[in-house]
Amino acid sequence: DTGVSQNPRHKITKRGQNVTFRCDPISEHNRLYWYRQTLGQGPEFLTYFQNEAQLEKSRLLSDRFSAERPKGSFSTLEIQRTEQGDSAMYLCASSLVVVYNEQFFGPGTRLTVL
Amino acid sequence: ELKVEQNPLFLSMQEGKNYTIYCNYSTTSDRLYWYRQDPGKSLESLFVLLSNGAVKQEGRLMASLDTKARLSTLHITAAVHDLSATYFCAVVILSSGGGADGLTFGKGTHLIIQP
Repeated sequence: DTGVSQNPRHKITKRGQNVTFRCDPISEHNRLYWYRQTLGQGPEFLTYFQNEAQLEKSRLLSDRFSAERPKGSFSTLEIQRTEQGDSAMYLCASSLVVVYNEQFFGPGTRLTVL
Repeated sequence: ELKVEQNPLFLSMQEGKNYTIYCNYSTTSDRLYWYRQDPGKSLESLFVLLSNGAVKQEGRLMASLDTKARLSTLHITAAVHDLSATYFCAVVILSSGGGADGLTFGKGTHLIIQP
């Protein structure tokens, strides 16, 4: 296992379209996180899962955003009716709930909404 | 609301010099992390600091944590060009179940090390 993977790496879409991103965590990790990063800023937490249960959602996660982790393995993040303000890097991270709970990040999906 | 502030936000320094990046956070936290990000890349974990007085070192980087002051420092010794990157600190508050919720990041310190 080489780490957290995300697909696609880049996505260009028109305003109003729906997009879906996928994250595959490190295989034995039971926690999966989604973050959003805009240019020049630190990542902002969106939501996380423990196994298949979604345990927390940030208020940044509007009703247009939905995330799933149906079998406790990979996760998807869907954005409906995209807006130009959704343009950002979407990062996924995974961790194992042990002492450190260190989060390992994937390469990200860069979304551009035209 | 947990807030994390880093300073400086931008630092240009010469190779061979020493410098310190500071990370302040607003409320009691359980853990502090340092990450490195190269342009266009994802985040690489550098250090996890778990308790007051914790100090960790890796090569030319050393991180420390003072939970009473709510302050962490990342010290760079004899900087080299390869350390040029953006450095983020991040703080977490543990949930009641013992797991960690999402990280709260600072804005990052953009470090340029010139030959």
